[in-house]
This record gives sequence, structure tokens and C-alpha cells, in this order.
Amino acid sequence: KAGVTQTPRYLIKTRGQQVTLSCSPISGHRSVSWYQQTPGQGLQFLFEYFSETQRNKGNFPGRFSGRQFSNSRSEMNVSTLELGDSALYLCASSWADRPYTEAFFGQGTRLTVV
Amino acid sequence: AQSVTQPDIHITVSEGASLELRCNYSYGATPYLFWYVQSPGQGLQLLLKYFSGDTLVQGIKGFEAEFKRSQSSFNLRKPSVHWSDAAEYFCAVVPKTGANNLFFGTGTRLTVIP
Repeated sequence: KAGVTQTPRYLIKTRGQQVTLSCSPISGHRSVSWYQQTPGQGLQFLFEYFSETQRNKGNFPGRFSGRQFSNSRSEMNVSTLELGDSALYLCASSWADRPYTEAFFGQGTRLTVV
Repeated sequence: AQSVTQPDIHITVSEGASLELRCNYSYGATPYLFWYVQSPGQGLQLLLKYFSGDTLVQGIKGFEAEFKRSQSSFNLRKPSVHWSDAAEYFCAVVPKTGANNLFFGTGTRLTVIP
């Protein structure tokens, strides 16, 4: 059974640009969550999607957005990139959202903003 | 305030020695409890979880954790550490009401010396 797949693994972007990251969940999983990991702030929740609907959102500016498709694949977009957006972005999938079922993480996308 | 605390930023142990990583949480009701491990440049791998029932839970790679309600703790243990256990370990919770996402501690980096 394939795990959570995130693409691309590495990205280098320039300040002001926008970026789209992709996440394919484990087959059958309908919930996809995104997390940002930085040395200073640690692991922080961005948002969660279930059946194409955003169910939950963390405390991030509107430049961070996401969506989920009917096949449960998800994308997140960051517009007008800032240096502080440099981070490892992790996607996690789970079978259901409520009651909570365990989440499985992808290997992440390392975004560097220069 | 709700929080997850990992008091040890960095722990060094000798190969073959026992290991205990501490985790305390502050939530009104006992949340779902997790331990994840992250190798450098990789995503998070679930080691074990506690939802209810037996307070001693077994996980993968020979790890176990004990839930102690009176101490609001969920400490991770391993009787004999292997060099391959060197990684960063994260304690995480999901509240049983309200937000349905993982809240992470700041992590404990484990170094294993021969």
C-alpha cells in the first residue's frame, strides 16, 4: 500500500513568487492535513480538508490556501512568498476526521525562499 | 493554556542503554496521545498512540509509552537503544473536543553514541 506522496521534494523560489505543493494521500483516506515545520516555530497546523471541504484552519495569513479534489488529493498554495515561509511542509492523511483516526505523514516538501 | 511540553531538547545515550523521553500535556480532558519520530530530512513516522484502555502501549521499533493521568504525562521508553534510533522525537496530542488536528511538542533530539 503506497504511503502519502508529496511533490516536489525540494523547491527554491524567490520572494514575491507563488508556489503550489501537492499531496496524494493513502488510498481510501479522505482527510488531508498540512503542517509547516520550521526551526523557530516547530510543527504548526495549517489546514485540514475532508471530502473537498476545509474543516479546520490554523493561524496563518490568507497567503496560505489549499484545496482538495474529489480523489482526495490536495494542494496547498502560498502566494507572495516571504523569506519566513522557508520551511518543511508536511502533509498527513487519515481515514476519517471525526472521531479522530491516526494520521500518516508524507516525506514533506522543503521550500526555500531566497 | 493548552500545551504539550517536551522538557528535554536534546538527550544523548550510549548504544544499548535504556531511554526515556518525557512528555507532559495540559488539556482539560485527556486528549488522544501520540509519539512520532523524524529522521533528518524526512517526514514523521508514527511510533505509537494512546486513545483509551491499557495505559502501557506498545509501538513499533521496540518502543513503548506509559500514560499517567495523575501526572498528565505520556513518556516514551525503550529498554535498549540502537544507533539507528538517533532522530528527533515528537509528542503530539489531538483534543477530543474542538480542534481535530495534531498539536506537537517542541521535540527531543536523540543522539546515540557507540
